[in-house]
Amino acid sequence: AQTVTQSQPEMSVQEAETVTLSCTYDTSENNYYLFWYKQPPSRQMILVIRQEAYKQQNATENRFSVNFQKAAKSFSLKISDSQLGDTAMYFCAFMKPRLYSGGGADGLTFGKGTHLIIQP
Amino acid sequence: DAGVTQSPTHLIKTRGQQVTLRCSPKSGHDTVSWYQQALGQGPQFIFQYYEEEERQRGNFPDRFSGHQFPNYSSELNVNALLLGDSALYLCASSLVVQGASGANVLTFGAGSRLTVL
Repeated sequence: AQTVTQSQPEMSVQEAETVTLSCTYDTSENNYYLFWYKQPPSRQMILVIRQEAYKQQNATENRFSVNFQKAAKSFSLKISDSQLGDTAMYFCAFMKPRLYSGGGADGLTFGKGTHLIIQP
Repeated sequence: DAGVTQSPTHLIKTRGQQVTLRCSPKSGHDTVSWYQQALGQGPQFIFQYYEEEERQRGNFPDRFSGHQFPNYSSELNVNALLLGDSALYLCASSLVVQGASGANVLTFGAGSRLTVL
């Protein structure tokens, strides 16, 4: 079974600063996917960024980037030029891909989350 | 383009009762997954439905059951409610690409908040 650990329950930074959220995971799989999701007070999970384990290049989406260290099983999220709207819970998640005639994939395994607060 | 819609948004039940939660997937999606998110925790995978069958299941007892309808919408049923079932129940939909491996990108709904007294 996979486990995902987020060791920072809460972080607070000033607007426009850069912040890095940590995530480590444990798996015996060689091929898998990693995600960062954002959950604002509206409760809806929003995909921030995703990384495929077989890709060496770190994923980037505008102000969001990851530092994926496969050997260390580490997957941190960097938010540059942080904005007030970035305030939310951030969850790191793992998914094992699956190929079978019915399609689909295993469910996501989430960490406990980091509450990120952007101060004005 | 409508995203994932869930109903009801909030509900209160008492121990021992049964509850049904509903989910309509995003237009064009054919797979529905359900997650339980207890307060202060990350979501936990309950099960996934595709082609009206339960395809994957997490570590949840048989009190948790589901159904998927021909229009891809889904229901989550929980019997004999316990206090510990109080949580936010999230539905997520995705589209299966036949014969392809990989991770389907999930679109989540805003959830149904269940309180068991």
